[in-house]
Formats: sequence, structure tokens, C-alpha cells
Amino acid sequence: ETGVTQTPRHLVMGMTNKKSLKCEQHLGHNAMYWYKQSAKKPLELMFVYNFKEQTENNSVPSRFSPECPNSSHLFLHLHTLQPEDSALYLCASSQDPGREETQYFGPGTRLLVL
Amino acid sequence: LAKTTQPISMDSYEGQEVNITCSHNNIATNDYITWYQQFPSQGPRFIIQGYKTKVTNEVASLFIPADRKSSTLSLPRVSLSDTAVYYCLVGAHGSGNTGKLIFGQGTTLQVKP
Repeated sequence: ETGVTQTPRHLVMGMTNKKSLKCEQHLGHNAMYWYKQSAKKPLELMFVYNFKEQTENNSVPSRFSPECPNSSHLFLHLHTLQPEDSALYLCASSQDPGREETQYFGPGTRLLVL
Repeated sequence: LAKTTQPISMDSYEGQEVNITCSHNNIATNDYITWYQQFPSQGPRFIIQGYKTKVTNEVASLFIPADRKSSTLSLPRVSLSDTAVYYCLVGAHGSGNTGKLIFGQGTTLQVKP
């Protein structure tokens, strides 16, 4: 148990659906992240939030829309996804967004787009 | 950002010591070296971090030579539960830092009975 929870753990959606992934951290951290991990590929950073402000958007398509209402919660809103978006979506948090800072990852949401 | 190179896979047996070496020839002065472990369908988990020489914690040791162009993660007496993917990352701290960790392919360690 890392102190970072994600819901749902598994999600199947059609290309026309709208769904949201939720992440919550109970560590009092100030920075939160979304990563994507496709099969047989390295983790890819998607978004970084620091004190609720987005500080990094790693050229992510607009069909992925992040939201960070406070430092403890992070959402990823999904709309008109493609089958190639099927992946494990991981949320992480750290005390501050420094690269020497340990990032604590949630268990991920396994997403399948049909 | 410094690029890292590590073996794609390694095999070991229970009870053996496992050493995984990572090359990072372009490591910068401010870069730290961090290792994460990932089990299937789970998020990566921090193992150890160091800047130079040797660091040891309850899980592993990290050896960093003087030139810092490589590092070796040492796992003592592995068990079946250590079967996982191990990632070596380098990153700097300081102003303008965005927390951008760059994960490579990692090393898949298979521990056999």
C-alpha cells in the first residue's frame, strides 16, 4: 500500500464513451502525475501537476483531459478514445516535483478501448 | 536528460545475489540515480537512490563508481517474489525541475526456484 489509490482498477469503454479515472493520494504531497504504460513499452509521462497547477503536458492528445481540484485528487477525463489508447494508466505523487524526489505510484487502471 | 542502458532481462535462482548494471555515460553533475521495481499490473515502487559511492537500505545496495557513468543495483539473496522489472533512472534537481522521470525498458528479472 503506497498511499496512492486509483479507481476504477479496470475499465472497458467504447470509442464514443466518456469516462473518468480517479486518483487520490493520502501522503500530503504537492505534486501529482499521470503516466501511460502500453504493453511492451516504457512508462510515458502524460501530465504533471504541482500545487494544483499543470506544469507539464507531454504532447498528450486532447481526448485526455486532466483535472486537479486539490493537491490530493487527480482525475483523467477520457473522451472518444481510440483502441491504441488501451493501456495501464498510472497515477503518482511526490512531495515536490523534483526529479530526485521519490514518486509513489498507485496500482493503476487497466483500460481497454473497444 | 541522461539516457540509460540496462540489460533487457536476467535470470537468477533463489538465494543468489543479483547485480543489475545500468550505464549512463551522459550523466550530469546534478543528476541522481534512482531505481524502481515494478510487478505486473502494478505501479513502480521506489527501491533506492544515490549520488555517488555506495548506498544501502533494507532492500538493496547501490554501487556508483567515481566517474558515475554506471551504477549497479545489488539484490542480496533473491526470492521468487523479487521477480519483477527493475528500472534505472537518472535525473537532476534544482530550479526548473518538473519531476519528469524518464523510464526506459527496464530489466526483467526472473527468479527461478
